[in-house]
Amino acid sequence: QVQLVESGGGLVKPGGSLRLSCAASGFTFSDYYMSWIRQAPGKGLEWVSYISSSGSTIYYADSVKGRFTISRDNAKNSLYLQMNSLRAEDTAVYYCARSIGPFDYWGQGTLVTVSS
Amino acid sequence: EIVLTQSPGTLSLSPGERATLSCRASQSVSSSYLAWYQQKPGQAPRLLIYGASSRATGIPDRFSGSGSGTDFTLTISRLEPEDFAVYYCQQYGSSLSITFGQGTRLEIK
Repeated sequence: QVQLVESGGGLVKPGGSLRLSCAASGFTFSDYYMSWIRQAPGKGLEWVSYISSSGSTIYYADSVKGRFTISRDNAKNSLYLQMNSLRAEDTAVYYCARSIGPFDYWGQGTLVTVSS
Repeated sequence: EIVLTQSPGTLSLSPGERATLSCRASQSVSSSYLAWYQQKPGQAPRLLIYGASSRATGIPDRFSGSGSGTDFTLTISRLEPEDFAVYYCQQYGSSLSITFGQGTRLEIK
């Protein structure tokens, strides 16, 4: 069955960096586009970034453009999100999701807290 | 960027009743690339409906979606206890800017 498992979240100071990972299994990872979506505590969902199956096409939300970098390693069935220059407003649960247009499978999420 | 506005913010109903949730877009959603998700506390969202009206795998037929252009609706025909949750609509017509509505909380009356 399809599984997506995020890791790498934690507490980081403003201006700091963090790298999230998402391990995929149960499907041919290299065939699918993938995304990161986040949810601030008690708030709604916000799409963060999207990467094509080969990694050649990438999009970012304006709120993270220039600070976050999405990447993937198809040999390792893994998706990544490098987050730099973190701000308090980046505090959220970060989900990775398989993208078929809509997001049909989601991981359980990893919490990122940006605080001094 | 397409802004999605969901209404009502909170809907209070009893099991067995019919629920109607609305999602209005600030501009037309191309090819009805509109999805609905259900999220329960502490869980990731679950895809219910895509393409405005197609049910995702394993979704009960009491869930249905309709609409086109700028107005979309999620209907739950007869509420079961497990249906009380938060529901989000999402447009994916443009990969440059994927957006979600702010959510509708469906609570037990």
